[in-house]
Amino acid sequence: SSELTQDPAVSVALGQTVRITCQGDSLRSYYASWYQQKPGQAPVLVIYGKNNRPSGIPDRFSGSSSGNTASLTITGAQAEDEADYYCNSRDSSGNLHWVFGGGTKLTVL
Amino acid sequence: QVQLVESGGGLVKPGGSLRLSCAASGFTFSDYYMSWIRQAPGKGLEWVSYISSSSSYTNYADSVKGRFTISRDNAKNSLYLQMNSLRAEDTAVYYCARVIVVVVAGSDHFDYWGQGTLVTVSS
Repeated sequence: SSELTQDPAVSVALGQTVRITCQGDSLRSYYASWYQQKPGQAPVLVIYGKNNRPSGIPDRFSGSSSGNTASLTITGAQAEDEADYYCNSRDSSGNLHWVFGGGTKLTVL
Repeated sequence: QVQLVESGGGLVKPGGSLRLSCAASGFTFSDYYMSWIRQAPGKGLEWVSYISSSSSYTNYADSVKGRFTISRDNAKNSLYLQMNSLRAEDTAVYYCARVIVVVVAGSDHFDYWGQGTLVTVSS
């Protein structure tokens, strides 16, 4: 199996840009997907693949990847973006076995 | 619209069993892989298991292998998780999620999630 590592907490001033990162060996082979989770709610997919947003996700959310690091960028963070964010990818074994990062708590100041 | 509704959670003693269900609607259930993902109280997400569209393939996290069994009934648009030999560390909200597997590009993702059902393992 493999692990994905995220910073536990990140903060950003309202309207500024923030990058949330995810590191892991599996990211050299597979794209990360990103999920937003607000308190008491189920996770919501915000980014998948190279840089794809599901319908309804604002275009201030974007994704990128380099080497063993995937990033989720929020350009012009809004108060409603305050949430936990989790990255996910397939395990580096190549089997259909997935791993999640530990999550990043985003605070919008 | 896509809907996933979990049920079957509750309080169970260590060593006991529980069967979770997930009712799917709003899409052709038999066309999609499905998965269970859990979240212990105050903790992060943990992938638990997946099943292929025709039930031909399954896989499990090491933490549940040999104790949990995933299954589906495409005629009933339902996904199941049979949980045996439950432990305190299995206490979590269990989510069912639709899986999009992109073999070539490696851009798998879980595009729809249910609201979850809470399983508490305690004496």
